[in-house]
Amino acid sequence: EAGVAQSPRYKIIEKRQSVAFWCNPISGHATLYWYQQILGQGPKLLIQFQNNGVVDDSQLPKDRFSAERLKGVDSTLKIQPAKLEDSAVYLCASSLEAGTSPEFFGPGTRLTVL
Amino acid sequence: DAKTTQPNSMESNEEEPVHLPCNHSTISGTDYIHWYRQLPSQGPEYVIHGLTSNVNNRMASLAIAEDRKSSTLILHRATLRDAAVYYCILRATGNQFYFGTGTSLTVIP
Repeated sequence: EAGVAQSPRYKIIEKRQSVAFWCNPISGHATLYWYQQILGQGPKLLIQFQNNGVVDDSQLPKDRFSAERLKGVDSTLKIQPAKLEDSAVYLCASSLEAGTSPEFFGPGTRLTVL
Repeated sequence: DAKTTQPNSMESNEEEPVHLPCNHSTISGTDYIHWYRQLPSQGPEYVIHGLTSNVNNRMASLAIAEDRKSSTLILHRATLRDAAVYYCILRATGNQFYFGTGTSLTVIP
């Protein structure tokens, strides 16, 4: 079974530039998550999708971050404009059912904002 | 939301059992106890989860206290590949995970 795919794996940009990350979840997984993990900390949930609808985006900085999940499959996370404090690893995960089923994580995208 | 308390770090000798503790005194009846681990430069990896009864799988065992206010992840024979940060997380159905800082496990050859 193929795992969660993410691209790119690494990205370096300057502050105020824009960046986008892509995620392809495990086939059949209805729930998709984006996490931000700052060095030395545990992952923090940014947004949770159920199919193509948003379930929870309470911790997403909506003035600069946006996410979508077209057709309930792939998802993109965008940052515009980026700030220095956005430097982190962005993780995508998916699960069959939120809460009771395991979440499967992708390898993450390491973003460096200069 | 109920939170968990874990030691910052632990050490174990290779091929010996490891018991990773987690306290969750404010757990609610609908919270599942999940354990994930994260190897360096990788995304978190699911280890095990349970609600009330002890659970076993090929990776580990999960021992849940009778009052559910604590749990222990048991690795039966630690290997060098088990060196990772282990997260104990509570989650109710439909709710999000709150990862803490976890326990960094060092396995000594």
